[in-house]
Amino acid sequence: ETGVTQSPTHLIKTRGQQVTLRCSSQSGHNTVSWYQQALGQGPQFIFQYYREEENGRGNFPPRFSGLQFPNYSSELNVNALELDDSALYLCASSLLAGVEETQYFGPGTRLLVL
Amino acid sequence: AQTVTQSQPEMSVQEAETVTLSCTYDTSESDYYLFWYKQPPSRQMILVIRQEAYKQQNATENRFSVNFQKAAKSFSLKISDSQLGDAAMYFCAYIRGNQFYFGTGTSLTVIP
Repeated sequence: ETGVTQSPTHLIKTRGQQVTLRCSSQSGHNTVSWYQQALGQGPQFIFQYYREEENGRGNFPPRFSGLQFPNYSSELNVNALELDDSALYLCASSLLAGVEETQYFGPGTRLLVL
Repeated sequence: AQTVTQSQPEMSVQEAETVTLSCTYDTSESDYYLFWYKQPPSRQMILVIRQEAYKQQNATENRFSVNFQKAAKSFSLKISDSQLGDAAMYFCAYIRGNQFYFGTGTSLTVIP
């Protein structure tokens, strides 16, 4: 276990709805990154938050947004859900935001969009 | 263009034998980091090993070692004395700036 937790574990939504996923980082970590992992694929980087500010973003549209709170937990929000948003969403925390930092992953949230 | 390529979707190895998983990457940077992550069926991804590009010495962690060929942009993972618990998806990852690029993974089966 990495100490990173995510909720909920599973979620079913319909197209057009909005969803919020949550992540609690490992104790002492101030950086959280979010990934989308489609079935049979590797994780795709969505964005990273460092000390409550977005600190890098992958090739995802603005309807994917996030927050990081003072306790360094984080939320991923997805608006106007599309069928292709169905995936495993992983968050990972790290001690700092540097590229050399090891990331510790949570178990993920499985999102199904119908 | 794919930044990280894992050309072996599936591999199998006999228990106690050695297996090598391949990874190539594309970059024009000289300083970067490479990682191998393991994702068991329970889904929680864990770090196996990492390599700093400026280090010529190949990283080793117990039964896991890498063959890092910087000029060839190759970063393979060798698992020695394979164990049943090594069965998982293995992802190669390259870090550039604030962005992380993962390969599509190699599913490793360990045969008793």
